[in-house]
Amino acid sequence: NAGVTQTPKFRVLKTGQSMTLLCAQDMNHEYMYWYRQDPGMGLRLIHYSVGEGTTAKGEVPDGYNVSRLKKQNFLLGLESAAPSQTSVYFCASRQGSEGVGTEAFFGQGTRLTVV
Amino acid sequence: AQSVTQPDIHITVSEGASLELRCNYSYGATPYLFWYVQSPGQGLQLLLKYFSGDTLVQGIKGFEAEFKRSQSSFNLRKPSVHWSDAAEYFCAVVPMDSSYKLIFGSGTRLLVRP
Repeated sequence: NAGVTQTPKFRVLKTGQSMTLLCAQDMNHEYMYWYRQDPGMGLRLIHYSVGEGTTAKGEVPDGYNVSRLKKQNFLLGLESAAPSQTSVYFCASRQGSEGVGTEAFFGQGTRLTVV
Repeated sequence: AQSVTQPDIHITVSEGASLELRCNYSYGATPYLFWYVQSPGQGLQLLLKYFSGDTLVQGIKGFEAEFKRSQSSFNLRKPSVHWSDAAEYFCAVVPMDSSYKLIFGSGTRLLVRP
């Protein structure tokens, strides 16, 4: 019972390099999210998706792009990494917007360092 | 502005003491309300949730939370804290008028004294 799986778990990038973080969920959830977590700032929403083929911007979308080509996968891309993108990234998913469907499930996080 | 506020950045309690973590929200209609816990180096785990009905909700690990509409609050409580409760706790909401969103407070880090 995998739930939400993020890869990779750790990564070090040089400034200007690109990379893609993968989030995969096996619960057939409609909604998926990417957050970044920085000390004292909680979790800030980067991008989200309400279904296959859809994406939308969250609070802090600059410098990131996303894609949801398959319902189970939500990819977060950094085209040209900057030190300000050093953070822990979390993916989450949930079934929908009503009642029990609002409960979100989280991956274990990806610790990214940009040097 | 719509927001979720956790006014305490850090809280330290002695093992066996009671605990209350504060959460206030600012939304027109009462949102869905959640508390999550994050142990060091881990993802987030749901402790409890409030959708409607009884304003005192029970969660896992002996936690409970009380919804108070008049105060726009959803405070988390535990009668007797264990050393293993040391973690970061996040309050979160799903707003009724934009239910695709999941908004988090800034978190409260709980330290437990032996």
